[in-house]
Amino acid sequence: NAGVTQTPKFQVLKTGQSMTLQCAQDMNHEYMSWYRQDPGMGLRLIHYSVGAGITDQGEVPNGYNVSRSTTEDFPLRLLSAAPSQTSVYFCASSYSGTGRFGYTFGSGTRLTVV
Amino acid sequence: GQQVMQIPQYQHVQEGEDFTTYCNSSTTLSNIQWYKQRPGGHPVFLIQLVKSGEVKKQKRLTFQFGEAKKNSSLHITATQTTDVGTYFCAGHNAGNNRKLIWGLGTSLAVNP
Repeated sequence: NAGVTQTPKFQVLKTGQSMTLQCAQDMNHEYMSWYRQDPGMGLRLIHYSVGAGITDQGEVPNGYNVSRSTTEDFPLRLLSAAPSQTSVYFCASSYSGTGRFGYTFGSGTRLTVV
Repeated sequence: GQQVMQIPQYQHVQEGEDFTTYCNSSTTLSNIQWYKQRPGGHPVFLIQLVKSGEVKKQKRLTFQFGEAKKNSSLHITATQTTDVGTYFCAGHNAGNNRKLIWGLGTSLAVNP
């Protein structure tokens, strides 16, 4: 099993550009989520999904869109990149929202907006 | 809003010394999870505790969940250089099992 796969691993964007961060899992997990990690800020939840067709906002959703058309995929879209979105982005999935068996994280996407 | 405070923020130890990190929540948690993130890596799930007063061990690591389900600790006995990284606690609010509330982490450095 590959677990949670994120692409790309690194990305540099210009202010105002848009892009999609990809996340795919092969564990048949119902729950998927996106976090951003900034120095001194810990992990902050952007959006999450409890199943295909269902998404909801986390604590820092502004500037990001998500959709969940399949169980496996949960892409994160940056609509108009801003320097404040420079961060490391992690996708995480779990068997259920309660994360009874823990959350499995992808290896991350390191995004720089200039 | 609900917060999980984690202390200390940083800890520097000599190899062989013990290490403890503490988490305190402002509200009751339904569970507490612990993760380890190596430098440049991603968080990796270590364990989940769900019962009041629960204690679990993984080799040199001991995890505790407080009686009131508001605090937790991770203790590492006789640290090794392989223990280097940031340790995060995270828990679910007793009324919301869809969002993990994360501590800011404790960064552990180990001198060989």
